[in-house]
Amino acid sequence: DADVTQTPRNRITKTGKRIMLECSQTKGHDRMYWYRQDPGLGLRLIYYSFDVKDINKGEISDGYSVSRQAQAKFSLSLESAIPNQTALYFCATSDLLILYFGPGTRLLVL
Amino acid sequence: AQSVTQPDIHITVSEGASLELRCNYSYGATPYLFWYVQSPGQGLQLLLKYFSGDTLVQGIKGFEAEFKRSQSSFNLRKPSVHWSDAAEYFCAVGARGNEKLTFGTGTRLTIIP
Repeated sequence: DADVTQTPRNRITKTGKRIMLECSQTKGHDRMYWYRQDPGLGLRLIYYSFDVKDINKGEISDGYSVSRQAQAKFSLSLESAIPNQTALYFCATSDLLILYFGPGTRLLVL
Repeated sequence: AQSVTQPDIHITVSEGASLELRCNYSYGATPYLFWYVQSPGQGLQLLLKYFSGDTLVQGIKGFEAEFKRSQSSFNLRKPSVHWSDAAEYFCAVGARGNEKLTFGTGTRLTIIP
C-alpha cells in the first residue's frame, strides 16, 4: 500500500463550488505539505504543517485553506473554486527534509 | 530568499548518450540540495540528496550529482540514459531549520531511440 494517499485522484468542478482534497499518510511523519504544480512553474507551496497544532501559509495560500485532523491526515479546501486553480495538487510528508509525495490530484475548474 | 533555477525547460537525448541537467541555487546559508524525478502520471520520487561531506553524491537509477559551492550549482548527470529515464526532473533547495523546500521549474527529458 502507498505511504501517502490522496483522494480524489481526479476531479472536475465548477466555478464557485467548494471542494476538498484529502491526504493520508502511514509514514508516521509530523510534517505535511500541500504543493501545487503548474506547467512551467514547477511546484509551489500552498500550506504546510509541522504538527497537528501548527499550520503555516506557503507562498500561494490565497483562496485555499487546510485542516490537520490528525497526525496522519491533512486536507486542502478550495472555498470557492476559480478556473486558475486548475492544477495538479500534491500532498507530501517529510522526515529530515526528505519529501515523500502522494500520487497527486488533478483538478479542473470549469 | 532561497531560489532554484533550472535553465533548460526541455532536453532531448539519444538512448545510450550521456546526460547533464543543470541546477543553480541561491541561498544564504549552507544549502541542502535535492533532485526529484516525476515519471508521467506519477508523483515525485527522490533521486538523490546532498547535505554535507563528499560533493559528489550517488543516487538511484545510476544518477549522480555534484555540488559546486563556487558556482552555486548542483548538476545531475548520468553516463548512459535509458528510455525509462524519460520524465520531468526537479531540483530543490532547503536547509537545516528551514524545512520548506523550494523547487525549480523542472526540466523535461525526452529520450529518442
